[in-house]
Amino acid sequence: KAGVTQTPRYLIKTRGQQVTLSCSPISGHRSVSWYQQTPGQGLQFLFEYFSETQRNKGNFPGRFSGRQFSNSRSEMNVSTLELGDSALYLCASSLRAGDETQYFGPGTRLLVL
Amino acid sequence: GENVEQHPSTLSVQEGDSAVIKCTYSDSASNYFPWYKQELGKGPQLIIDIRSNVGEKKDQRIAVTLNKTAKHFSLHITETQPEDSAVYFCAASESGSARQLTFGSGTQLTVLP
Repeated sequence: KAGVTQTPRYLIKTRGQQVTLSCSPISGHRSVSWYQQTPGQGLQFLFEYFSETQRNKGNFPGRFSGRQFSNSRSEMNVSTLELGDSALYLCASSLRAGDETQYFGPGTRLLVL
Repeated sequence: GENVEQHPSTLSVQEGDSAVIKCTYSDSASNYFPWYKQELGKGPQLIIDIRSNVGEKKDQRIAVTLNKTAKHFSLHITETQPEDSAVYFCAASESGSARQLTFGSGTQLTVLP
């Protein structure tokens, strides 16, 4: 069974731009969570989606948003990029909302210049 | 909210020796505790997890122990091998309709040949 896939794997943007990252969960998994990983703050929860609805949100500004499609694929968007948004963005999938076991993708490395 | 502390931040062991990584959590409502291994350039990989109704769980060379009273849990790796070298993260979460993992800061494990 294929794992979680994320595209693109690497991205370079400049301050003020916006970016959209994509995640395809494991086949049959319906819940997708997003995390931000930085050397300074570690792994931090962004949001969780299930059945096209945001079920939970972490402590991030409104510039960070996401959505989920009917096929469970998810996108996250960051608007008005700041230097501090440079990070590895990880997507994790699980069978259903609130499911304990989360499987991570390889991440998208975003560099903001 | 939940806070997870992880120690040590770096750990070097000789091949064949054991390695122990410890985590403490703050929220007594947390009841699920996974451990992830992250290799360079990859996303976190789930290696073992434990739920609050269990005190210990073992999978070949890896074991996790949980002390709910003291709010701490530990990862034990026996007969370490060079391929065990990676960053290890502990995490905690609470049951519910929405799942949010709170991660420790990570331990860089180096197994010396």
